[in-house]
Amino acid sequence: DTAVSQTPKYLVTQMGNDKSIKCEQNLGHDTMYWYKQDSKKFLKIMFSYNNKELIINETVPNRFSPKSPDKAHLNLHINSLELGDSAVYFCASSRRLAAYNEQFFGPGTRLTVL
Amino acid sequence: LAKTTQPISMDSYEGQEVNITCSHNNIATNDYITWYQQFPSQGPRFIIQGYKTKVTNEVASLFIPADRKSSTLSLPRVSLSDTAVYYCLVNGDSNYQLIWGAGTKLIIKP
Repeated sequence: DTAVSQTPKYLVTQMGNDKSIKCEQNLGHDTMYWYKQDSKKFLKIMFSYNNKELIINETVPNRFSPKSPDKAHLNLHINSLELGDSAVYFCASSRRLAAYNEQFFGPGTRLTVL
Repeated sequence: LAKTTQPISMDSYEGQEVNITCSHNNIATNDYITWYQQFPSQGPRFIIQGYKTKVTNEVASLFIPADRKSSTLSLPRVSLSDTAVYYCLVNGDSNYQLIWGAGTKLIIKP
C-alpha cells in the first residue's frame, strides 16, 4: 500500500488554466504539507496543515489554495497558472506537527505550464 | 533559524565509504539533525536522525561532535544505487523550521 499518494503524476497545461493536485496519506498522520521543488532541486515548503487546520502559509501567491477535507487528504488548487509555476510539487505527511518528525513524501507531481 | 551548508556535489566509487559533512553553526539546543535521500523522480526519504554523538541504523551512520555545529553522514560501502541527492536538515519542535537547502548530489561510479 502506498503511504502517501498524489495524482496526477504529470500535468501539462496552458497558461491561465486552473488545475488541482490531490494528495492522500494512509498513515494516520496529523500533519500534511505541500512542497515545491524547482529545477535546481531546492525544496520550498508552501503549506502545512495539522488536523485540517492551516499552520504554515509561506510566501505563496494566493492563486494557490490548499484544501483539507479530512486529516488524510490535502489537495492543492492552482488558479491562473503561470510559466513560473512549472515545478515538481510534493505532498508529505508526518505523525505530528513538530518539524523534527520524520516526513513521508509522495512521488511528486511534475507540473509543466506552456 | 539554523541554516545548513553542505557540498553541492561529491563523487565516489562503488565499495567506498562516503562521508558527507553538513555545517550548522547556529543550531539551537532543541534542534535535531535529520538526513534525507532523494532519488531522481521520487520524493525525499528519511535516512537517519540524531541529536548528539553517534547514531547508526541499517543504512547509515551519523556522527555529531560535542559542539553540534556540524554533522557527518557516513554511507558504508556505497553502490551505484546510492547515487542521489542528500539533504541535511536542522529542526526543532517548531513547524516553522522546515528549511531545506539544495542538498549534496552524490554520484557513485563503477
